[in-house]
Amino acid sequence: DTEVTQTPKHLVMGMTNKKSLKCEQHMGHRAMYWYKQKAKKPPELMFVYSYEKLSINESVPSRFSPECPNSSLLNLHLHALQPEDSALYLCASSSSRGGRSNSPLHFGNGTRLTVT
Amino acid sequence: GESVGLHLPTLSVQEGDNSIINCAYSNSASDYFIWYKQESGKGPQFIIDIRSNMDKRQGQRVTVLLNKTVKHLSLQIAATQPGDSAVYFCAENMPRSGGYNKLIFGAGTRLAVHP
Repeated sequence: DTEVTQTPKHLVMGMTNKKSLKCEQHMGHRAMYWYKQKAKKPPELMFVYSYEKLSINESVPSRFSPECPNSSLLNLHLHALQPEDSALYLCASSSSRGGRSNSPLHFGNGTRLTVT
Repeated sequence: GESVGLHLPTLSVQEGDNSIINCAYSNSASDYFIWYKQESGKGPQFIIDIRSNMDKRQGQRVTVLLNKTVKHLSLQIAATQPGDSAVYFCAENMPRSGGYNKLIFGAGTRLAVHP
């Protein structure tokens, strides 16, 4: 079990659907992350939130829309996705002690997304 | 032995042997490095980390070595067990202020432990 909880575990959606991925952590971490992972590849950074503000957007297409409603929750809203967006979407969080970045990311087990 | 092909490079070891997984990182300014283990159907799990002002760090059955001169990181696993079978990723942190990481992952190595 991880301390970062992602729902749903699996999601199948059509290209015209709108869906949301959810992530929750209660470790008091103030930095939260979305990564995308294709099969047999490393995780790729998509977005970083620090203190509920978007700090990094790695040139992600606008059909992916992140949201951080509070320090414990992170959402990823999906709209008009393409089949090539099918992947494992991983959420992570990290401590922000003293403003330093040298603390490990804690990952959830991901949402397996299939776009048909 | 190690094999590299169209898929993840694989390191095959016998149970009880020591394993060494290597990683070349890209940015000489990276200040923090982490090794993760990822089992099938799960997210990456933290194993051990090291800051750039160190060259070695030991945990339980694991040791990480950092050579900044050649931008090389290695993970040593002592007395490898079947439960160690997984994909292992190194990750480097691009320095940032603001209390968050920009963590970039290496390509990964699959460790296969045989009885």
